Amino acid sequence: AQSVTQLDSQVPVFEEAPVELRCNYSSSVSVYLFWYVQYPNQGLQLLLKYLSGSTLVESINGFEAEFNKSQTSFHLRKPSVHISDTAEYFCAVSEWDTGRRALTFGSGTRLQVQP
Amino acid sequence: NAGVTQTPKFQVLKTGQSMTLQCAQDMNHEYMSWYRQDPGMGLRLIHYSVGAGITDQGEVPNGYNVSRSTTEDFPLRLLSAAPSQTSVYFCASSSRDRTQETQYFGPGTRLLVL
Repeated sequence: AQSVTQLDSQVPVFEEAPVELRCNYSSSVSVYLFWYVQYPNQGLQLLLKYLSGSTLVESINGFEAEFNKSQTSFHLRKPSVHISDTAEYFCAVSEWDTGRRALTFGSGTRLQVQP
Repeated sequence: NAGVTQTPKFQVLKTGQSMTLQCAQDMNHEYMSWYRQDPGMGLRLIHYSVGAGITDQGEVPNGYNVSRSTTEDFPLRLLSAAPSQTSVYFCASSSRDRTQETQYFGPGTRLLVL
């Protein structure tokens, strides 16, 4: 069985400051890793994903995440946040070799960007 | 493409009533799944399907039924609603293509069981 831990339920930060949202996972098999974002009263949108290859992945709006296999982590970072980044962020994993293709989610981190 | 659509957007039920949450996708995706979202718990998998005619249980299947008669549709049935089923329900779909490996989510259905 796999699990995902997001260590911070809420992260307040000032606009233009850097931010890191932490995510750790456990699994007995290799996994794919994802970050999804949910704006208020909306569904989930894929922010970025790690499938294979370079361990550093980037999104189009300035976020990046690094897969660290030894520490089983996939932390999300942004060097300078905007008010519009205020949202809830979910880390998720899916297993490589099963046909399940479903996601296991962390409990979410609410990013609150203040002016 | 409309992507993943869900109906209704909102629903209020009384305890013991039954209802069906509809989910449809127009991307010809083989994989579909249902999640529920509760505060502080993220999203939890209820049921999933790897193709028409094939379904399986997820993490929290009790009180819910699914069927997959077509590739496009994956309805979720609440047999006898309970207050513990008050939640936001999301349907998702993804392609068989491993290089895609992205789940597309619908806008959600907010359910209140009184």
